[in-house]
Amino acid sequence: ILNVEQSPQSLHVQEGDSTNFTCSFPSSNFYALHWYRWETAKSPEALFVMTLNGDEKKKGRISATLNTKEGYSYLYIKGSQPEDSATYLCAFRRGTSYGKLTFGQGTILTVHP
Amino acid sequence: DTGVSQNPRHKITKRGQNVTFRCDPISEHNRLYWYRQTLGQGPEFLTYFQNEAQLEKSRLLSDRFSAERPKGSFSTLEIQRTEQGDSAMYLCASSPTGGARNEQFFGPGTRLTVL
Repeated sequence: ILNVEQSPQSLHVQEGDSTNFTCSFPSSNFYALHWYRWETAKSPEALFVMTLNGDEKKKGRISATLNTKEGYSYLYIKGSQPEDSATYLCAFRRGTSYGKLTFGQGTILTVHP
Repeated sequence: DTGVSQNPRHKITKRGQNVTFRCDPISEHNRLYWYRQTLGQGPEFLTYFQNEAQLEKSRLLSDRFSAERPKGSFSTLEIQRTEQGDSAMYLCASSPTGGARNEQFFGPGTRLTVL
């Protein structure tokens, strides 16, 4: 059984605040770590696919880091905006899978104007 | 729109009825996945196709569930004799072959409510 855990489960911040979430995953047989943003009534949107230990990726105000040896990834949002409100999901891909993703339960972010 | 599409978006049915959902992946993607998401949980893997071949099925997929991808393009997921526990969001995703860096592109999902 693969355990992918995300924390916190939910987060309320004010517009302009910076925030970060954690995803922990098994450190053995690592292949890739995916981050998605899922807004209500829309498709989950891929943010990052991370494969190498020490990877850091950035997309606008959002960035992510990866530590495969200890099994965690952080997602950072700088200067949160109300449109950042969504559920943020991380998903672990094991080396022996066909691309099957094991998801965490998500972090629900609400940014208040 | 060349993304992944799913139909219907919402389905309400009575317990015991059969339902079928359709997924149209991105046209050049030969990998197709079905996931299910229940309230408060992340999506859980159900099954995977490479072209028309169903290569992996989760133990979550009881014998009431069947999925097909007859010509390696669109896929259908059928649930027979629905139960209230089947109420969930059913997501489809597609990706090109291989590569650790390949994203899975998701559709908007079909929300099933079993009364």
